[in-house]
Amino acid sequence: RKEVEQDPGPFNVPEGATVAFNCTYSNSASQSFFWYRQDCRKEPKLLMSVYSSGNEDGRFTAQLNRASQYISLLIRDSKLSDSATYLCVVRESNFNKFYFGSGTKLNVKP
Amino acid sequence: NAGVTQTPKFQVLKTGQSMTLQCAQDMNHNSMYWYRQDPGMGLRLIYYSASEGTTDKGEVPNGYNVSRLNKREFSLRLESAAPSQTSVYFCASSDRRTGGDTQYFGPGTRLTVL
Repeated sequence: RKEVEQDPGPFNVPEGATVAFNCTYSNSASQSFFWYRQDCRKEPKLLMSVYSSGNEDGRFTAQLNRASQYISLLIRDSKLSDSATYLCVVRESNFNKFYFGSGTKLNVKP
Repeated sequence: NAGVTQTPKFQVLKTGQSMTLQCAQDMNHNSMYWYRQDPGMGLRLIYYSASEGTTDKGEVPNGYNVSRLNKREFSLRLESAAPSQTSVYFCASSDRRTGGDTQYFGPGTRLTVL
C-alpha cells in the first residue's frame, strides 16, 4: 500500500472554475502535511502547509482530516497559470522522512 | 542566494558506467535528501542526511551510495548504472530550526542509462 495516494487526474477545467483535489495517507502517526506544486520538467515547490484547523492562502484552501487521514486542496477562480501537477506530501514522525503522492495534474483551459 | 544547485543537468550513461551527482545548498540547512522521480510516480526517497556526518537509507537505496561531504554538499553515486536507474534525480534540503518543514529542491538531473 502506498503511503500517500492521490487521484492522478488530469483535471481539465475552464478558467474561473473551482476545483478540488484529495489525498489520503496511510500512517496515522504522520506529523506534517503539505501541498507542493510541480510545473512540467521543473522541481517541486511548496504551495502551502496544511494545518488541522484548515488554512487559506488567497484562492487556495487546504484542509486536514486526521480521523479520516485525508487532505484536500481547493482552488477557486482557476487561472491558466494554475496548470501544473499538485503533489500531496506527508512527513512521518521521524522528521527526516517525507512521502510524496504521485501527483494530480491540473489543466486550466481558456 | 542560489538555494539548491545540482550538477549535471543532463547525463547519458551506458550500463555499467559509474557517475556522481553533485548537490550543494547555501541556506545553512542541516538536512539534505536525494529523491528520484519516475513518470507517473511521486518522488521516492533514496537517501537522506539529517546532519553533517550522518546518512540514512530511504525507500529505494539499492544501487546508490551517498556522501555528506560537509554541511553544504551531499553527493549521490551510481557505482554500476542500470537502465532501471533512468530517472530524474532531485536533491533537496530543509532545516526545521529556520525553515520549518519546508523542503527546497534543486532543478534536477535527468539521467538516461542505455
